[in-house]
Amino acid sequence: KAGVTQTPRYLIKTRGQQVTLSCSPISGHRSVSWYQQTPGQGLQFLFEYFSETQRNKGNFPGRFSGRQFSNSRSEMNVSTLELGDSALYLCASSLEVVGTEAFFGQGTRLTVV
Amino acid sequence: AQRVTQPEKLLSVFKGAPVELKCNYSYSGSPELFWYVQYSRQRLQLLLRHISRESIKGFTADLNKGETSFHLKKPFAQEEDSAMYYCALRRGAGSYQLTFGKGTKLSVIP
Repeated sequence: KAGVTQTPRYLIKTRGQQVTLSCSPISGHRSVSWYQQTPGQGLQFLFEYFSETQRNKGNFPGRFSGRQFSNSRSEMNVSTLELGDSALYLCASSLEVVGTEAFFGQGTRLTVV
Repeated sequence: AQRVTQPEKLLSVFKGAPVELKCNYSYSGSPELFWYVQYSRQRLQLLLRHISRESIKGFTADLNKGETSFHLKKPFAQEEDSAMYYCALRRGAGSYQLTFGKGTKLSVIP
């Protein structure tokens, strides 16, 4: 079956712009989480969605937002981009079963210049 | 709040030598623990989960609740084991958020 798909794979944006990243989970998975990966901070949790509802949010400023649609696809948005937002953004989907794994996408590499 | 600590950023071992990647966690409840691996130019993927107590690619990990550790071990390292390894914790109880350690880069020297 198809894995988690993230689009686009690469993005270059200018400071102050906004950006929207997309994630299509594995069919049947209703839980979607987003993570920011940087060399200095590693993998940090952004937010988690289940059935179109945000269940948890990490310690990121309000410029970072997300949503989930009825087909479980998810988007995250970053407004007023800063240089420090340059990172690999990963999306993961999972089934709602104890002990089940999270399946990760390839990520979107965002570069802010 | 939960925390995962991987004390080694880089671990170099010779092929055939034993490997141990350390992971310690802090969480007051009963967490689920995982090891994820990221090979060069590949996506992050699950290696092991404590709940299944399995051995994958020769790797094992035992959850020690007394020492709050979940160390990853392999008796004989192979060159193809070279990768980034991340220990992760999930609280459960309705949340599927993963808290990751900073990762350990394993380099197996031929």
